[in-house]
Amino acid sequence: EAGVAQSPRYKIIEKRQSVAFWCNPISGHATLYWYQQILGQGPKLLIQFQNNGVVDDSQLPKDRFSAERLKGVDSTLKIQPAKLEDSAVYLCASSFDGYTFGSGTRLTVV
Amino acid sequence: AQSVSQHNHHVILSEAASLELGCNYSYGGTVNLFWYVQYPGQHLQLLLKYFSGDPLVKGIKGFEAEFIKSKFSFNLRKPSVQWSDTAEYFCAVNDGGGSQGNLIFGKGTKLSVKP
Repeated sequence: EAGVAQSPRYKIIEKRQSVAFWCNPISGHATLYWYQQILGQGPKLLIQFQNNGVVDDSQLPKDRFSAERLKGVDSTLKIQPAKLEDSAVYLCASSFDGYTFGSGTRLTVV
Repeated sequence: AQSVSQHNHHVILSEAASLELGCNYSYGGTVNLFWYVQYPGQHLQLLLKYFSGDPLVKGIKGFEAEFIKSKFSFNLRKPSVQWSDTAEYFCAVNDGGGSQGNLIFGKGTKLSVKP
């Protein structure tokens, strides 16, 4: 079974720039999550989708972060404008009868 | 709000030593508990999980964990570690949603095994 695909693997941007991450979950997994993992901490949920609807975005900084899953499959997470404290690994996961995580996108904001 | 505490930030062991990593959670209701491992440069992988039943759970690669409800604990153990176990280990909990719902993670424990 193919895993959760994420791109890009690495991204370096300057503060105040915008950036977008892409996630392709496992086929048939209705639930998709975006997590933020800051160095030295565990992953923290940003947003959870069920098909193309948002289940939980209570921890998403909505003034700068946005996410969509238009057709209930792929998802994009955007940050605009980025801040230094957004430097982290952004993990996508999907679940059906178990959680599967992608390899993440490591974002460095300079 | 739920939280997960992992007591050790960095553990250094020699090969063949026994391992126990602590995990405590703060939630009084039904919980599902997980241990994940993250090898350098790789994605999070499930080691084991507890939903219900026997509180002693066996996972992959010789790992096991014991759910002690009275202590709100789910400690990870391995009798004899190998150099290849060098990785970061995360304990996680959700509010009983099985394999659905937000996973709350601990901060992780980095394990270094010396050959």
